[in-house]
Amino acid sequence: SQTIHQWPATLVQPVGSPLSLECTVEGTSNPNLYWYRQAAGRGLQLLFYSVGIGQISSEVPQNLSASRPQDRQFILSSKKLLLSDSGFYLCAWSSGSYNEQFFGPGTRLTVL
Amino acid sequence: QKEVEQDPGPLSVPEGAIVSLNCTYSNSAFQYFMWYRQYSRKGPELLMYTYSSGNKEDGRFTAQVDKSSKYISLFIRDSQPSDSATYLCAANLGTGRRALTFGSGTRLQVQP
Repeated sequence: SQTIHQWPATLVQPVGSPLSLECTVEGTSNPNLYWYRQAAGRGLQLLFYSVGIGQISSEVPQNLSASRPQDRQFILSSKKLLLSDSGFYLCAWSSGSYNEQFFGPGTRLTVL
Repeated sequence: QKEVEQDPGPLSVPEGAIVSLNCTYSNSAFQYFMWYRQYSRKGPELLMYTYSSGNKEDGRFTAQVDKSSKYISLFIRDSQPSDSATYLCAANLGTGRRALTFGSGTRLQVQP
């Protein structure tokens, strides 16, 4: 069966510091991968998605970036965090043939 | 106007009640519709997935899509305290861009 991991689970960072969040998927190959952000009491906002290694599409202009160095690894980064980057970051995967997306446990980021 | 709208609740019902959760959407090109359940501080869990109009049943859960009125519903029969969570509806265009567009979620509380 497929599983999706995210780490760290929680993170508290000062404004202006760098960020690296990691997501890995097991039990499938060539998944579509997604990064979403969920603000408190809000729906999920798509940040990036990837259909293959090195292929990244950005949905929202911001100071975040994403990379996919391996087939089942997706990384969300920032060089300098802003207060507005605080939120719950969720990674998801889907099979290339299907539309259902399956989410990881999330990373709760607080920028102080 | 948001593409997918949901009443945020909270919706409070007694144990055993039938729960009706609803969403409306504005993009008539949406083809696939999903319901996710999200417990506090956890990632969303896929509950139901439907294509186009019609009903789909899975145990105590029934998803209903009416594309003519752009209305999505989730019914929960014999509700349990463990059903207390936030329920997110989502829609997808189905081809090409596979990102989901989410509603903001409805918080459900089932009172024992």
